[in-house]
This record gives sequence, structure tokens and C-alpha cells, in this order.
Amino acid sequence: DAGVIQSPRHEVTEMGQEVTLRCKPISGHDYLFWYRQTMMRGLELLIYFNNNVPIDDSGMPEDRFSAKMPNASFSTLKIQPSEPRDSAVYFCASSSTAANYGYTFGSGTRLTVV
Amino acid sequence: GQQVMQIPQYQHVQEGEDFTTYCNSSTTLSNIQWYKQRSGGHPVFLIQLVKSGEVKKQKRLTFQFGEAKKNSSLHITATQTTDVGTYFCAWFRQAGTALIFGKGTTLSVSS
Repeated sequence: DAGVIQSPRHEVTEMGQEVTLRCKPISGHDYLFWYRQTMMRGLELLIYFNNNVPIDDSGMPEDRFSAKMPNASFSTLKIQPSEPRDSAVYFCASSSTAANYGYTFGSGTRLTVV
Repeated sequence: GQQVMQIPQYQHVQEGEDFTTYCNSSTTLSNIQWYKQRSGGHPVFLIQLVKSGEVKKQKRLTFQFGEAKKNSSLHITATQTTDVGTYFCAWFRQAGTALIFGKGTTLSVSS
């Protein structure tokens, strides 16, 4: 298995622009998570899905952030409009309730908003 | 509310010395997981502890879960330069929810 695949690896955008981050979870995993990592705030949970259904989006910082999971193999995190304070590394992770091991993280997307 | 502290924030050791990081919770945890993240990388799952007093070993790494399930530790014996990175503990705020991550302990090792 190729693991959790995120794209792009790096994104530099100007303030006010829309940004879309993409994630392909491990096949067969029924949970998908979006985390954001910064030096100041550490790893923060933004939202997670179970069987493609959003379960908890209380970590989404503002209405500028939205996430979708149209099918079991794809999820997006969108920021519109982006702001400099959104600069961070965004990780997608997936897990399976059937196998009691931890989360598998993607390589992350480093977002810089200038 | 629940508070989980991970200490220390940073630790520098000489190669061959031991290293320990701790996670301490104000409330009982259902289980605890440990992850390692190398600089520029992503968190990688190391282990999950579920039972009170549980001890698990992975080569030079020893993981413990306290009797009261309120604290956990990761101990590395005779550190190597390959052990460099940030170690996170993670827990579920409630059963069936997503993992919450501690602030991490960053380990540096000089040879």
C-alpha cells in the first residue's frame, strides 16, 4: 500500500486566494482526520470523518475552512480566503477500527500564505 | 476539564545516555498512543497502551502505562543518533473520538 497520499507537498499562495489540499487515505480505512501543525499550537485536530461522514468539525478554526469527503478514497480541505495565519503544515491521517493500531499520517502539505 | 501535560519539552543527551519523556493526565485515560516525528517528517505510530500497569518494549524503547491510567512514559535506553526527533503522546478525549496530541518532547543526541 502506498500509504496516505497528500498533495501538494508545498503550497505558497497570496492572502485572499483559495487553497485546496487533497488527501487519499489508505484503502479500507474507515476514519480520516485532518490535523494542522504549527510551532505555537502543536498538532491540532481540525475535523474527522467516519465512513465519509463528518463527525466532528469543532476544530475547524473559522468558516473560511471547509472539508469534504465525497468518497472513501478522497478528501479535500479548502481554505477560502486564505490568510497569513493559516500558514502551517496540514496533515491528513487515516485509521481503521477493525485493526487496533494507530493513525497513519500522510507526508503533509506545507502551506505558506504571503 | 481534562489536562494532559507532556514533559520535558526538550531534552539533549549524549549518545549512549538514556532518555525518558512523560505524559501526565488529570483524569483517567482509556488508552494512550505514542508517535515519533522526525524533523520535516510526519508523525509515525509507535505503540498503543490500553491496560493499567502495561509495559511494552520495542528494542531499546520501553513504554509504560500507569496503574491509575493517568500517566505514561517512553524510555529509550542508550540513545543513538537515529533516535533524534519529537515524541508525542496522544489520547482520546472520549471513546470513539479522535486522538488529541500532546505538545511533544524533542530529543537531540550528540555523538
